Amino acid sequence: LAKTTQPISMDSYEGQEVNITCSHNNIATNDYITWYQQFPSQGPRFIIQGYKTKVTNEVASLFIPADRKSSTLSLPRVSLSDTAVYYCLVNFGNEKLTFGTGTRLTIIP
Amino acid sequence: ETGVTQTPRHLVMGMTNKKSLKCEQHLGHNAMYWYKQSAKKPLELMFVYNFKEQTENNSVPSRFSPECPNSSHLFLHLHTLQPEDSALYLCASSQDKWGNSHNEQFFGPGTRLTVL
Repeated sequence: LAKTTQPISMDSYEGQEVNITCSHNNIATNDYITWYQQFPSQGPRFIIQGYKTKVTNEVASLFIPADRKSSTLSLPRVSLSDTAVYYCLVNFGNEKLTFGTGTRLTIIP
Repeated sequence: ETGVTQTPRHLVMGMTNKKSLKCEQHLGHNAMYWYKQSAKKPLELMFVYNFKEQTENNSVPSRFSPECPNSSHLFLHLHTLQPEDSALYLCASSQDKWGNSHNEQFFGPGTRLTVL
C-alpha cells in the first residue's frame, strides 16, 4: 500500500536546527521528493525538491538516503515564522501522487 | 501571492444546491490540479488536467465535476453534496504534470466549503 508517514507534531526553540523525516517505502524509481510548507488559511508553498543524496537551497536542506525510502527536511536556525505544517510529496508510480500526513512544527520563543 | 487565484474563498451551501469553484492561474502553466483537504487529513488529489485534458480522476464521486476550458482556468462544479464534503478545496498548477524534475506546484489560497 502506497503510504507516506511523518511525525504528527514537533516542537523546537528558536535558533535550533529542525529535522523532519518522511517515510515513503514504495516511491517510484524515477520520481522526485518534494516538501511543502503550509500556514493556516493558505495553500501549501514549495520549499525544496530532490532525487537523491543532498540538496540545499536558501531556506532548507533535503537529505535522501541511497534506498530513497525516506527523506529528511532540515531547517537551520528556525524562527517563530517557521511555525507551520510541513508535508512531503511523493509519487508512488501509476501516477499515485501522495502528500504525507503532515508535521505540525511549533517554534517556541 | 502565488499567481493562482481561487473564488470564492468561502462557500456555504445546502445539500440540494449547485455551485461552482473557480481557479485561475497567471503563470503560463500547462497542468492544473484540484485537491481536497479535510481537517486532520492529508491533502487528497482529486483531478489533474494537462494541456486541458483530464489525466487523473482519483475515484472522486460524480457529485464533483471538473471543467478545464483552457489552460488558465479550472472549475469544480458541485451538486448534491454531503456534509462530509465540507473541506478546504485547493487548486494548484505546475509547468508540466508531475514526474518531471523541478515540477513545483503553485497553490491557490483555497475555498473553504461548508455543506449544511
